[in-house]
Amino acid sequence: DVKVTQSSRYLVKRTGEKVFLECVQDMDHENMFWYRQDPGLGLRLIYFSYDVKMKEKGDIPEGYSVSREKKERFSLILESASTNQTSMYLCASSLLAYGYEQYFGPGTRLTVT
Amino acid sequence: AQSVTQPDIHITVSEGASLELRCNYSYGATPYLFWYVQSPGQGLQLLLKYFSGDTLVQGIKGFEAEFKRSQSSFNLRKPSVHWSDAAEYFCAVGAMGLTGGGNKLTFGTGTQLKVEL
Repeated sequence: DVKVTQSSRYLVKRTGEKVFLECVQDMDHENMFWYRQDPGLGLRLIYFSYDVKMKEKGDIPEGYSVSREKKERFSLILESASTNQTSMYLCASSLLAYGYEQYFGPGTRLTVT
Repeated sequence: AQSVTQPDIHITVSEGASLELRCNYSYGATPYLFWYVQSPGQGLQLLLKYFSGDTLVQGIKGFEAEFKRSQSSFNLRKPSVHWSDAAEYFCAVGAMGLTGGGNKLTFGTGTQLKVEL
């Protein structure tokens, strides 16, 4: 089974802190994705990566950056956390050949106070 | 740009009753369509997908969906709902990323299903 793990299930940070969310997949997938999920808005794509050191902006990249130094790991970085970044963050991965079928991690619920 | 509309935010059905969740998409080319389910506190799990061919696709947990090009719809159905089906359901459409890689999904806003015993 594909396994996508996220470093924390729950995280509480203060406004202005630098926040790192980590995602690891164990199936050698080329593609990795970061979404945020908010009630009534569904999932919105923040960034994705289709190869090591490659990244592409999603629909809401403002206030976020990403890093992919190894194939299995994709990090989401909030340079200076703000209260409007309080949300559920979901990581996903997929094979290049079957890129549309994405496998999701359990999510990290981030609260910025 | 592609988009997905799930017109029902909440749906309540009785256990054993049939279920249909609506999904309409907007996409210029042949769409790749998906239904995902999210149980409380969990990530998303793929229920079923449509790429091409037979317009009626079968998925896990007894779900099926029918692609209707003329209506731009991909509705999810189940003939008899179980209490464990209570969850949030997301419809999604696939599109190529800007650089040709990282095939992206665009998700609808979700439908919350409640099952009454």
